[in-house]
Amino acid sequence: KAGVTQTPRYLIKTRGQQVTLSCSPISGHRSVSWYQQTPGQGLQFLFEYFSETQRNKGNFPGRFSGRQFSNSRSEMNVSTLELGDSALYLCASSLIGVTNSPLHFGNGTRLTVT
Amino acid sequence: GENVEQHPSTLSVQEGDSAVIKCTYSDSASNYFPWYKQELGKRPQLIIDIRSNVGEKKDQRIAVTLNKTAKHFSLHITETQPEDSAVYFCAASAANAGGTSYGKLTFGQGTILTVHP
Repeated sequence: KAGVTQTPRYLIKTRGQQVTLSCSPISGHRSVSWYQQTPGQGLQFLFEYFSETQRNKGNFPGRFSGRQFSNSRSEMNVSTLELGDSALYLCASSLIGVTNSPLHFGNGTRLTVT
Repeated sequence: GENVEQHPSTLSVQEGDSAVIKCTYSDSASNYFPWYKQELGKRPQLIIDIRSNVGEKKDQRIAVTLNKTAKHFSLHITETQPEDSAVYFCAASAANAGGTSYGKLTFGQGTILTVHP
């Protein structure tokens, strides 16, 4: 069974631009979560989607948004990029939530904002 | 919200020694505690997890213990090997009123484990 797939692996953007990251969960997994990883802040939860609905949201500004499609694939968007948005963005999927099944992470998208 | 503290931030051991990493959490509603290993440039990988109805869980050289009263849990690695060198993260997740934790994990800051041959 294929793992969580994230595209692209690397992105370089300029301040003020916007970016869209994509995530395909493990087949059969319906919950998709997004995390930001930076050396200073560690792993921080962004949001989680299940059945195309956002179920939970972390403490990030409204510039960070996401969505989930009917096939469980998910995208996250960051608008008006800032230098501080440079990070590794990790997507994780589970069957229906960690109450019943663990999170499996993708390899991430490394975003660099210049 | 939930806060997870992880110690130590770095840990250096000799091959064959044991390694222990400790985490404390703040939300008494937390009921699921996974541990992830992240090698340089790679994704975090789940190595073991424990739920709040269990006090200890083992998987070969790895074990996790949970003390709900004190709100802390620990990772124990025995007979360490150089390939155990990585960053280890603990995490906690609290169930909502419906009993579902969804996909939100609060992570500790990580421990850089170095195993010297």
